[in-house]
Amino acid sequence: KQEVTQIPAALSVPEGENLVLNCSFTDSAIYNLQWFRQDPGKGLTSLLLIQSSQREQTSGRLNASLDKSSGRSTLYIAASQPGDSATYLCATNDMRFGAGTRLTVKP
Amino acid sequence: DGGITQSPKYLFRKEGQNVTLSCEQNLNHDAMYWYRQDPGQGLRLIYYSQIVNDFQKGDIAEGYSVSREKKESFPLTVTSAQKNPTAFYLCASSTGLTDTQYFGPGTRLTVL
Repeated sequence: KQEVTQIPAALSVPEGENLVLNCSFTDSAIYNLQWFRQDPGKGLTSLLLIQSSQREQTSGRLNASLDKSSGRSTLYIAASQPGDSATYLCATNDMRFGAGTRLTVKP
Repeated sequence: DGGITQSPKYLFRKEGQNVTLSCEQNLNHDAMYWYRQDPGQGLRLIYYSQIVNDFQKGDIAEGYSVSREKKESFPLTVTSAQKNPTAFYLCASSTGLTDTQYFGPGTRLTVL
């Protein structure tokens, strides 16, 4: 059974810093991996979806990478802003989610 | 506007009562999903449906039931058999099972 882990559970950084969020999964036979953002008490917003055939996907200040062989994905956020404060979750295509990393960007 | 709607936003239920959560989408998506989220945890899959009149159990289907009579609608019933129903419930949809999932705003269910 697929297990998805996100470490750390919480992260606090000063505004302007570049940061990396981590996601690991146990079963590398995935078709894709998706990153989401969740604001408190809200639904999830899709950020990026990486197909297994891709190594990276970019959207604005966000860059997600996928290494199936090592069972890892990372979400890179450049020049962080207070508005980036939220919980970030990753999910594999077999509908398994990590518990998320709660990011706080301090002004 | 295209999107997914869930109602109600907040729901209170007495123990022993069944309650139905609504999920509607106008994205013309074939696949729809129900997840449960507990504090500090990731989402857990309750049920999913690939197509009208078909649905599959997820990891925590016990105590829940669904129907998919229309492409746009995927209601979830939380029955009295669900031992710990207080949680945040999220509905999602996608074109197919391996495509980007789009989520509704969620329903917070509290059992009194």
